[in-house]
Amino acid sequence: SQTIHQWPATLVQPVGSPLSLECTVEGTSNPNLYWYRQAAGRGLQLLFYSVGIGQISSEVPQNLSASRPQDRQFILSSKKLLLSDSGFYLCAWSVGRGPNTEAFFGQGTRLTVV
Amino acid sequence: AQTVTQSQPEMSVQEAETVTLSCTYDTSESDYYLFWYKQPPSRQMILVIRQEAYKQQNATENRFSVNFQKAAKSFSLKISDSQLGDAAMYFCAYEDDKIIFGKGTRLHILP
Repeated sequence: SQTIHQWPATLVQPVGSPLSLECTVEGTSNPNLYWYRQAAGRGLQLLFYSVGIGQISSEVPQNLSASRPQDRQFILSSKKLLLSDSGFYLCAWSVGRGPNTEAFFGQGTRLTVV
Repeated sequence: AQTVTQSQPEMSVQEAETVTLSCTYDTSESDYYLFWYKQPPSRQMILVIRQEAYKQQNATENRFSVNFQKAAKSFSLKISDSQLGDAAMYFCAYEDDKIIFGKGTRLHILP
């Protein structure tokens, strides 16, 4: 069966420090991969999505970047965190459009920038 | 660009009653998918119901059903016989080449 792992679950980082959040998917190949951010009590903002290795689409220009070094690995990074980067980050995968299409989500990472 | 709008930030319903959550979207595509996701306090995202745009029949899943109006680009969720466990944030979502979400509606169930 397919599973998605996202870590760490919580993270407290000082302003100006780097960030690396990792997400891996098991049990499927060539998934579509997503990074979303959810500010407190708000909706899910799509940050990046990827339809294949090395193919990254950025939805919101900001302080973050994403990479997909392997088929089932998706990494969210920042060189220097800002206070406004605080939030709940969710990784997700899907097989793309089809009768049973669905986004499967990781457990999320709560990032607090101090 | 595609957008998803949920105009009700919060709603309340009495236990055992029926409630309808609204969602509208904007797209120039004809082939796409629509979803409702539930996010309980655990923050785990759970698929509630899925609708394929080329199907005119409204999707149903037990107490959950949708009213899909393709021409109006409307996709509302009806929850019948509301239960305390239905209390959560509900997100409407749209997929063609990517999945985008609305801002959510927080649903409170009153005992």
